[in-house]
Amino acid sequence: KQEVTQIPAALSVPEGENLVLNCSFTDSAIYNLQWFRQDPGKGLTSLLLIQSSQREQTSGRLNASLDKSSGRSTLYIAASQPGDSATYLCAASGSARQLTFGSGTQLTVLP
Amino acid sequence: DADVTQTPRNRITKTGKRIMLECSQTKGHDRMYWYRQDPGLGLRLIYYSFDVKDINKGEISDGYSVSRQAQAKFSLSLESAIPNQTALYFCATSDFSDSGANVLTFGAGSRLTVL
Repeated sequence: KQEVTQIPAALSVPEGENLVLNCSFTDSAIYNLQWFRQDPGKGLTSLLLIQSSQREQTSGRLNASLDKSSGRSTLYIAASQPGDSATYLCAASGSARQLTFGSGTQLTVLP
Repeated sequence: DADVTQTPRNRITKTGKRIMLECSQTKGHDRMYWYRQDPGLGLRLIYYSFDVKDINKGEISDGYSVSRQAQAKFSLSLESAIPNQTALYFCATSDFSDSGANVLTFGAGSRLTVL
């Protein structure tokens, strides 16, 4: 059974810092890995999706990497802003295309 | 209007009551899902449906049932609610992209409290 872990559970940084959020998974036989953002009262928004054959994906200030051999993915946020404050979740997609979610990292970017 | 709409957004009920959470979508997606989120546990899959005639149990289906009334509608029922079903419930839809990825669109969530 796939297990997805995100550490730390919460992170607070000053505005402008570059930061890395971590995601680890136990079963490397994944189809893809996705990163989501969750804002209170607004559900989840997909940020980046990395296929199993890819090493990284970029969107604006966000860069996600995937290392299947070590069972790890990272989400890099450059030049953080207060508007980046949210909970970030990663989810691994197995052969049945079902997602296993981590419990998330709650990010606070201080002005 | 939102692509995926969940009703009600908030509900407080008592143990033993029957509760229905409804989900409708305008994405035109065939696949619909119900997830539950608890603090510190991430999202867990309750049920999913790949088309109107297809219903599948997820990781935590006990105590829940679903109905896919149409391509655009997928409802979740708690026949006899219990306090440990207090959680935030999400509906999601998806359709395989050209790359084969299963990209989900989520509703805003339904917060259920069972007293």
